[in-house]
Formats: sequence, C-alpha cells, structure tokens
Amino acid sequence: EAQVTQNPRYLITVTGKKLTVTCSQNMNHEYMSWYRQDPGLGLRQIYYSMNVEVTDKGDVPEGYKVSRKEKRNFPLILESPSPNQTSLYFCASHRGGGVRNQPQHFGDGTRLSIL
Amino acid sequence: ILNVEQSPQSLHVQEGDSTNFTCSFPSSNFYALHWYRWETAKSPEALFVMTLNGDEKKKGRISATLNTKEGYSYLYIKGSQPEDSATYLCAFYLFSGNTGKLIFGQGTTLQVKP
Repeated sequence: EAQVTQNPRYLITVTGKKLTVTCSQNMNHEYMSWYRQDPGLGLRQIYYSMNVEVTDKGDVPEGYKVSRKEKRNFPLILESPSPNQTSLYFCASHRGGGVRNQPQHFGDGTRLSIL
Repeated sequence: ILNVEQSPQSLHVQEGDSTNFTCSFPSSNFYALHWYRWETAKSPEALFVMTLNGDEKKKGRISATLNTKEGYSYLYIKGSQPEDSATYLCAFYLFSGNTGKLIFGQGTTLQVKP
C-alpha cells in the first residue's frame, strides 16, 4: 500500500530535549515536505526536499533541521525544542516535476507538545 | 503577503443537505489549485488538482469549479452524509524563482448531523 509513515504519532516532551520525527514514503517520490498546522492558520511549510541531499527552507524553518540521505526518508529534527513548536506536524511527498499539478500524499500527522 | 482565504470557517448541515464553500486566491500568476479532505485523526487526502480556468471536477457527490480570472474556486457537496464531516483545505500553487510551493487556506470544517 502506498503510504507516508510518520513516527511518533504523539509526543510530549520538555523544552531543550532534542527530538526527531521520522518520515518515510514507499512511493519512490522525489519531493518531500514538512508542514505544521496551528489553530486558525493553514498548513505552513517548514522545509522541503527536491531529492536526495537537496533540501531548502520553507516559510517557517526557524528551530528545525532536516536531512535527506535516502530518497524514502526525510526526518525532522528539533535540536532544542521550545513551547512555540507545540503543533501538529505533517510530512508529505509527491512525484518529481513540481507540486503544481501533482497531489501531495500526507502522513497521518505527529502531535508534539513541548512543555 | 499572499492570502488564500476559505469561507465559511465552519459549517453545520443536516444529512441530505447540499452545501458549498469557497476558496479565494490571487487572480494573477495562476498555476494550479488543490483541494484536500482532512478527517480528524487522519491524513489529508487529495480531492482535486485544478489547473485551467473553467475547470470542473467531480468525485462522487463532491464537485469543484475554478475561476482563475476572478480568483475563486467552489467546492460543492450534494446530499451531505455524516461521513462527509471533515475539514476541506484548498491550496494555491505559488511559483517563485525556480521552484513552487503550495499555500494553504485555513480550511472549512463541515459537520453533517444525522
């Protein structure tokens, strides 16, 4: 089954404790993104990657890091999480050639609470 | 600042009612508009990707229209069912420099009462 898998689904942690949210897709997609969803706001892109070893900042990259060492995996790293990073996070992927006319495939989301 | 606005923010209808909501976006430099359906505790799923002015797309009881000249898209649900309860997201494709990205609206949350 074609899917985007995120882990963990839920996490409560404390300020400053490094954490990684994993994302893996089995569709051989070149393009992957991370978004955060906050109440009253649309999904906002954090980082994206157009292929292995190619990553770039989205609209809200501060406080996050990513890496793309393999095509299928795109982990999101919070080196020193802070309470304002409490949010619902989605990983998404789509085939290369641009997101213009290709729908994104989303993971189930990761709800992070930073105390 | 590029705005993608969805209205209404939320909607409560009775089973069997037909409903529609709006996505407004910039009318210049249009490339594509996406619609997604997002059920609570699940992942957003693509409904439609629309690229041409006048496009009409249909999937079962759900359909969408696109007017790029005036910058809006309508999503229609005919004979709403409780399983249609979800948040419906639209996203405008913004091309900038040599790459593009999706700018999402806040969503319209639909509750269908049995």
